[in-house]
This record gives sequence, structure tokens and C-alpha cells, in this order.
Amino acid sequence: AQSVTQLGSHVSVSEGALVLLRCNYSSSVPPYLFWYVQYPNQGLQLLLKYTSAATLVKGINGFEAEFKKSETSFHLTKPSAHMSDAAEYFCAVSDRWYGNKLVFGAGTILRVKS
Amino acid sequence: DAGVTQSPTHLIKTRGQQVTLRCSPKSGHDTVSWYQQALGQEPQFIFQYYEEEERQRGNFPDRFSGHQFPNYSSELNVNALLLGDSALYLCASSLGQGRGGELFFGEGSRLTVL
Repeated sequence: AQSVTQLGSHVSVSEGALVLLRCNYSSSVPPYLFWYVQYPNQGLQLLLKYTSAATLVKGINGFEAEFKKSETSFHLTKPSAHMSDAAEYFCAVSDRWYGNKLVFGAGTILRVKS
Repeated sequence: DAGVTQSPTHLIKTRGQQVTLRCSPKSGHDTVSWYQQALGQEPQFIFQYYEEEERQRGNFPDRFSGHQFPNYSSELNVNALLLGDSALYLCASSLGQGRGGELFFGEGSRLTVL
């Protein structure tokens, strides 16, 4: 079985500060890992994904994440937060044979202070 | 290029009624997955349709059923509605059954059961 743990249901940063959202996964098989963003009353938008190529993955809007197998982590970072980054972020895992069956973490709401 | 479209966007039903939600996948995609997202929770996988057959199913009762049409569009049906079925229902499409393929999500159908 696969699972995802996101540390911190709410994270608050100042505009221009580093964004760090934490994600740890559990998987009995090599995983695919994803970060999605959800704005209020909207669907999910893919920020980035890890599918066994480079361990440092760059995504949209300046976000990136690093896959660390030894730590079973896939933390999301952005060097400088922007007000428009305020949203809920979900980390998700799937296995390599049933990639459409995503298992999501509980989500982290990012607040950006001016 | 139209993305994933879902209808209706909002609807209200009463307990015991039945509901049908519709999804048109992104152009070129042949696989549709459905997720349920209760308020303040993460999305939960309901099932996936590929080649007009249900291929995978999450932990949802038989009251939840679906269909995929030859044009790859899909319907989600929920019978004997319960208050707990109130949620945002998200449709996601992809090419093939997964293997790390990107899922494109629609904006969702928000169902309220009174």
C-alpha cells in the first residue's frame, strides 16, 4: 500500500521568503511522485512530477522538488514566495503500473503575507 | 484545445436521490479517472475507465458506478445519496492507464446532499 504524509497542514511565509512544503511517502514499489496545487473552488493543477529521471525536478511557477530515496521524501520548494502562490498544495504518489490511481496527502495550505 | 470539462458545476440533491455527473476528457486522452474530495479533505480515488471498462476501483461502495462512452467521455452515477456524499467530484483524464502519465483535472462538480 502507498501513503503520503504532508508535515504541516498550514504554512505561512512572507512574500519573497523561501517556501518549503514537506512530503514523505511510503511505497512498496518504486513510486511516481507528484505535487498538485488547488486554488479555492477549482480543480487540481500539476506543478511537477518525478518519474525516475533526474531526482531534482523543476516545475511550473518556479517550484522544484527533490526526490530523496534514502529519506523517502519529496519536499517542494520555491526560492521566493509570491502572493499568487497562496493556495492548497497536495503531494501524491502512484505506482508505476497504475499511474492514474493517485494517493494524496492531506494537503498543506500556504499563506503568503505581504 | 479544450481541457477536461465537467458538468454540472454545482447541484443540490436530497437523500435517497440519484445523481449523474459528466466528464469530457482532454482532446487526445482515452482514460478517465474519478475522485471525490470532501470539504477540507484530500481527493480520494473512486475508479478509472479505459476502453469503456472499469479498470481500477478505490474503496467506494457499489452505489458509485460509472460508464465510459466510445468517444472517451464518462459518467459517474451515485445512487441512494447520503449526506456524506456531499463533495467536489473531480474528473481527470490521461493518455493510457498511467505509468506516470500526467493527469489533467477538471474544475469539478460540487454536489450538495440535503
